[in-house]
Amino acid sequence: AQTVTQSQPEMSVQEAETVTLSCTYDTSENNYYLFWYKQPPSRQMILVIRQEAYKQQNATENRFSVNFQKAAKSFSLKISDSQLGDTAMYFCAFMAENKLIFGTGTLLAVQP
Amino acid sequence: KAGVTQTPRYLIKTRGQQVTLSCSPISGHRSVSWYQQTPGQGLQFLFEYFSETQRNKGNFPGRFSGRQFSNSRSEMNVSTLELGDSALYLCASSLDTRTLGTQYFGPGTRLTVL
Repeated sequence: AQTVTQSQPEMSVQEAETVTLSCTYDTSENNYYLFWYKQPPSRQMILVIRQEAYKQQNATENRFSVNFQKAAKSFSLKISDSQLGDTAMYFCAFMAENKLIFGTGTLLAVQP
Repeated sequence: KAGVTQTPRYLIKTRGQQVTLSCSPISGHRSVSWYQQTPGQGLQFLFEYFSETQRNKGNFPGRFSGRQFSNSRSEMNVSTLELGDSALYLCASSLDTRTLGTQYFGPGTRLTVL
């Protein structure tokens, strides 16, 4: 069975600092995508970043970047220069057969 | 381009009733997926539709059903509501040029069952 594990239920970071959220997954698939979504208090699920498993280069989107270790099945998210608007629940998700499997989420609080 | 829209945003029903939720995907997107989010179970996949056909289904009872129309809009129906069906129901759409596609979510429908 495919599973996604986020071992940090809550994290806190000071504004302008850098924080890393962890995610591991388990699958026997060779072709898949990995995602980070954020869900702020408004509850709208927003795509943060995407990584295709066949690409060795780590994805980046402005202040957001990932560390994708395929052999270790690890997919962490780094947020640089944290902003108050980054406060949200962050979900790591694995996709195969057009179905997303989510982790339990990490609640990130950015402190002023 | 307009995002994924879901109606209604909030619903209150009583046990035993049925409910229909609607989802309009991003223009040009042909795949629509539904997810249930609860504090206890987290985010769980319900089903996925592509070209009016259910292509994938999660582990939910038959009370949960859905359909997709020719314009890619989708509806999901829950019959004989139970208290445990109270949840945020999220719809997501994707271009789906292959079997993997980035999913973009709507704002969700908050269902409360009394």
